[in-house]
Amino acid sequence: DTGVSQNPRHKITKRGQNVTFRCDPISEHNRLYWYRQTLGQGPEFLTYFQNEAQLEKSRLLSDRFSAERPKGSFSTLEIQRTEQGDSAMYLCASSPDRGPGNTIYFGEGSWLTVV
Amino acid sequence: AQKITQTQPGMFVQEKEAVTLDCTYDTSDQSYGLFWYKQPSSGEMIFLIYQGSYDEQNATEGRYSLNFQKARKSANLVISASQLGDSAMYFCAMREPYYGNNRLAFGKGNQVVVIP
Repeated sequence: DTGVSQNPRHKITKRGQNVTFRCDPISEHNRLYWYRQTLGQGPEFLTYFQNEAQLEKSRLLSDRFSAERPKGSFSTLEIQRTEQGDSAMYLCASSPDRGPGNTIYFGEGSWLTVV
Repeated sequence: AQKITQTQPGMFVQEKEAVTLDCTYDTSDQSYGLFWYKQPSSGEMIFLIYQGSYDEQNATEGRYSLNFQKARKSANLVISASQLGDSAMYFCAMREPYYGNNRLAFGKGNQVVVIP
């Protein structure tokens, strides 16, 4: 039984470059989420997929950010023209459609440092 | 406005003792869910325990229990018999309203250090 898998775990990039993160959710989970966490804060919601459909986007998700979930399995989060303010940990999570609380299970996160 | 408030400073806990982490929340919905997560230094957010607003009994999961006081809007986490591996940040989160909402709102977390 594997959990939510994210890669790369760490990424250092120069300002202005594009970066892409991949997330593989728990296999039977239809719902997939992306969150962002900065130092000293709790995670903040970015976006939500139900299967392949992106149903919710936070206002935090500027037009430089794009997330996809082709075929309703893995997901990618791309950040274009990175800025120093994008430095954060990007957490992917998944949940089933049913179950106690539709509990959301998180991956280990992808740390992004923009220099 | 903050939906979830966690204001305790970092805590040092003696191994094998119990620790209580405070969480208060703000909502006008009747249907909501409360969650606690543990985040060790590795970064992974580990689900610990869930409490639904309509659940009459306090949730328990092994050494974790949730002291749910609905009228006070508090959902404190109790960790019994602390272990060294419990050293981590602990986050309280809420989904409200429970149905039709896919976002969790998190507090800023409580730092716990277990000492031998």
